[in-house]
Amino acid sequence: AQSVSQHNHHVILSEAASLELGCNYSYGGTVNLFWYVQYPGQHLQLLLKYFSGDPLVKGIKGFEAEFIKSKFSFNLRKPSVQWSDTAEYFCAVTLTGAAGNKLTFGGGTRVLVKP
Amino acid sequence: GAVVSQHPSWVICKSGTSVKIECRSLDFQATTMFWYRQFPKQSLMLMATSNEGSKATYEQGVEKDKFLINHASLTLSTLTVTSAHPEDSSFYICSAPVYGEQFFGPGTRLTVL
Repeated sequence: AQSVSQHNHHVILSEAASLELGCNYSYGGTVNLFWYVQYPGQHLQLLLKYFSGDPLVKGIKGFEAEFIKSKFSFNLRKPSVQWSDTAEYFCAVTLTGAAGNKLTFGGGTRVLVKP
Repeated sequence: GAVVSQHPSWVICKSGTSVKIECRSLDFQATTMFWYRQFPKQSLMLMATSNEGSKATYEQGVEKDKFLINHASLTLSTLTVTSAHPEDSSFYICSAPVYGEQFFGPGTRLTVL
């Protein structure tokens, strides 16, 4: 069965610092990759997604992620974080094809940005 | 983008009672919807896939008789937690796909006393 792992459970950093969150998945087939964000008290929102094409994906709010197929990774980055980026971030994977809509989530990373 | 709503947003009930949670796609039709639960400080775990016009598909370890799912129309799926117990207290979230992308409802927080 496919699985998704996020290496960091908690990240604390100061405003203007750079952020990188790791995500690895285990599945040998073709996948679609997502990063979601959950702000305190709010529902999940899509930050960015990768289906095919350019492996460097740009999302909302200055986030980007790079798909490295050989490493089964889809790490999320932001060059300069703001206090408002405090949230929980989830990496997720779906398989392409008939079961392609079934999301498997990583464990999540809580990010605290100190002002 | 597509909008998914859930009702209620929170519910408190006594142990032994049943609770129904609704998930609606407001501006699109969804033949499939997904139900997740999220325990505090944990990730979302897929519980089941709700299929319009047919039985739901449950993930391993999820009791289908406890978590009844009905996909009554192309815009509505309901999750009924039957004979709820305190360990069922959790955050329940639904989602519906549009062209391979999931759109999530705001979630329902269930507290069983």
